[in-house]
Amino acid sequence: EPEVTQTPSHQVTQMGQEVILRCVPISNHLYFYWYRQILGQKVEFLVSFYNNEISEKSEIFDDQFSVERPDGSNFTLKIRSTKLEDSAMYFCASSGPGTRVYEQYFGPGTRLTVT
Amino acid sequence: AQKVTQAQTEISVVEKEDVTLDCVYETRDTTYYLFWYKQPPSGELVFLIRRNSFDEQNEISGRYSWNFQKSTSSFNFTITASQVVDSAVYFCALSEAGTGGYNKLIFGAGTRLAVHP
Repeated sequence: EPEVTQTPSHQVTQMGQEVILRCVPISNHLYFYWYRQILGQKVEFLVSFYNNEISEKSEIFDDQFSVERPDGSNFTLKIRSTKLEDSAMYFCASSGPGTRVYEQYFGPGTRLTVT
Repeated sequence: AQKVTQAQTEISVVEKEDVTLDCVYETRDTTYYLFWYKQPPSGELVFLIRRNSFDEQNEISGRYSWNFQKSTSSFNFTITASQVVDSAVYFCALSEAGTGGYNKLIFGAGTRLAVHP
């Protein structure tokens, strides 16, 4: 069964460094999302992406964050200058097309640790 | 505003017991979707079910069943004859239907279920 993949599974970085988290959504999906989950807390929406542009973003998704679909398969989340509070699990999700457009399938997550 | 409340933070049961996880939601939209996701100790989020606001029929899938009641804005999840493998955090989520499929999921805080042998 097709699945969303994410790399790396764990990333450790120093405060102030740039990180890029990578995702390969399910191949025929059209809508892409990033969520994050701070340890022990709820899953929070960051951004949605459709037709090569951001559809919606949350207050968390400030100027330090950006997303890109550089080719037909990858979907990336970049954090320009990481802060300690960016430490979290980051989940990529995808959905669509057709009647399953509202069912978001999640990748296994990337655990980001900022030191 | 959208909101999902899972009042039960943690539930502990013994194997073979039935357990119900509660979910209450708030939305102003008449068209919306409700979901349950499972997060096992390995950390991934596993999609369990989607229910749209026009379909109040309850659903059963094996040992899992869902009770959607619009009148009380609840979408409860019951596991019958629980097993140790059911131990996980379960999240209820809400999505309001917009003009496309790019609708954010609003998650509840999750209920941690521990099933003991």
